[in-house]
Amino acid sequence: NAGVTQTPKFQVLKTGQSMTLQCAQDMNHEYMSWYRQDPGMGLRLIHYSVGAGITDQGEVPNGYNVSRSTTEDFPLRLLSAAPSQTSVYFCASSYAGSYNSPLHFGNGTRLTVT
Amino acid sequence: SQELEQSPQSLIVQEGKNLTINCTSSKTLYGLYWYKQKYGEGLIFLMMLQKGGEEKSHEKITAKLDEKKQQSSLHITASQPSHAGIYLCGAAMGRDDKIIFGKGTRLHILP
Repeated sequence: NAGVTQTPKFQVLKTGQSMTLQCAQDMNHEYMSWYRQDPGMGLRLIHYSVGAGITDQGEVPNGYNVSRSTTEDFPLRLLSAAPSQTSVYFCASSYAGSYNSPLHFGNGTRLTVT
Repeated sequence: SQELEQSPQSLIVQEGKNLTINCTSSKTLYGLYWYKQKYGEGLIFLMMLQKGGEEKSHEKITAKLDEKKQQSSLHITASQPSHAGIYLCGAAMGRDDKIIFGKGTRLHILP
């Protein structure tokens, strides 16, 4: 199994550009989530989903959109990138009833917005 | 997240010494996770605790969830340079709810 796959690994954007960070898992996990990691801030939850067709906001959702059309994929969209969105982004997944199983993380996407 | 407080924020210990990291919530936790992250790398799952009073160990790392399920401690015995990194606690704040994380504890081991 590949686990959680994130693409790309690195990305540089100019202010105002849009892009989509891809996340795919092959473990049939219902729960998927996106986090951003900034120095000294730990992991902050952006959006999460408990199943296909269901998404909800996390702690820092502004500037990001998500959709969950399939169980496997959970893309994160930046509609108009800002320098404040420079960060490392992690996608994670687990079985529903999240406290029953650990979160499986992808390797991260390092995004720089200039 | 303000809902999960980790302490200390940073810790410097001499190799061979014991240390403890705490993770505290004002709410009952439905699952508590400990992860480790080497600087600039991905996250490594350490342990997951679900039941009040539960304690788990992996090599020289022990984690415990208190009876009220509002605080967890992670204890490292006889620390080694390989223990250096960022330790993150994460928790589900409700049944089938989102999983949030604390700000992390940076651990440095002095040789």
